[in-house]
Amino acid sequence: NAGVTQTPKFQVLKTGQSMTLQCAQDMNHNSMYWYRQDPGMGLRLIYYSASEGTTDKGEVPNGYNVSRLNKREFSLRLESAAPSQTSVYFCASRAGGTETQYFGPGTRLLVL
Amino acid sequence: GENVEQHPSTLSVQEGDSAVIKCTYSDSASNYFPWYKQELGKRPQLIIDIRSNVGEKKDQRIAVTLNKTAKHFSLHITETQPEDSAVYFCAASRNSGYALNFGKGTSLLVTP
Repeated sequence: NAGVTQTPKFQVLKTGQSMTLQCAQDMNHNSMYWYRQDPGMGLRLIYYSASEGTTDKGEVPNGYNVSRLNKREFSLRLESAAPSQTSVYFCASRAGGTETQYFGPGTRLLVL
Repeated sequence: GENVEQHPSTLSVQEGDSAVIKCTYSDSASNYFPWYKQELGKRPQLIIDIRSNVGEKKDQRIAVTLNKTAKHFSLHITETQPEDSAVYFCAASRNSGYALNFGKGTSLLVTP
């Protein structure tokens, strides 16, 4: 099993460009999450999906949209990137009935 | 919402010494408290967790204690080794279905 995978690993965008970060898990987990990690700020929740077909806002959802495409995939879209969205983005998943979250390797995004 | 405070932000110890990282939380309904370790450039990985019906849990050199009345929990690492050097995050959440709220992290450096 690959666990949680993310693409791309690294991306540079210009202000105003759009892009979609992809996340997939092969563990048959129900819940999936998107976090951003900034220096000194820890991990902050952007959006999450408790189960296929549902999505909810987290602590910092402004400027982002998400799609739970199916049980395996949860994508994060930046419609008009801003320098403040420069960050490392982590996707995570969790099996139903458990609390442990498993993280992907991260996507490093630089917005110029 | 839940607010998790973590201290200290940096910690330097000599190899063989013990390290203690402390967290407090605000939501009395929180009942799951994991600790994640993140090595430089890597994903966060769960190292130990504790649930509210337990006061202490140990796993080899790592232990976590929980004081629900005071709403604080701590990570204890004994006989530290250079490979323990990393950033450690505490988190708190309610029952399954709720997202994790992370502290801002503690950068631990173990010097030989």
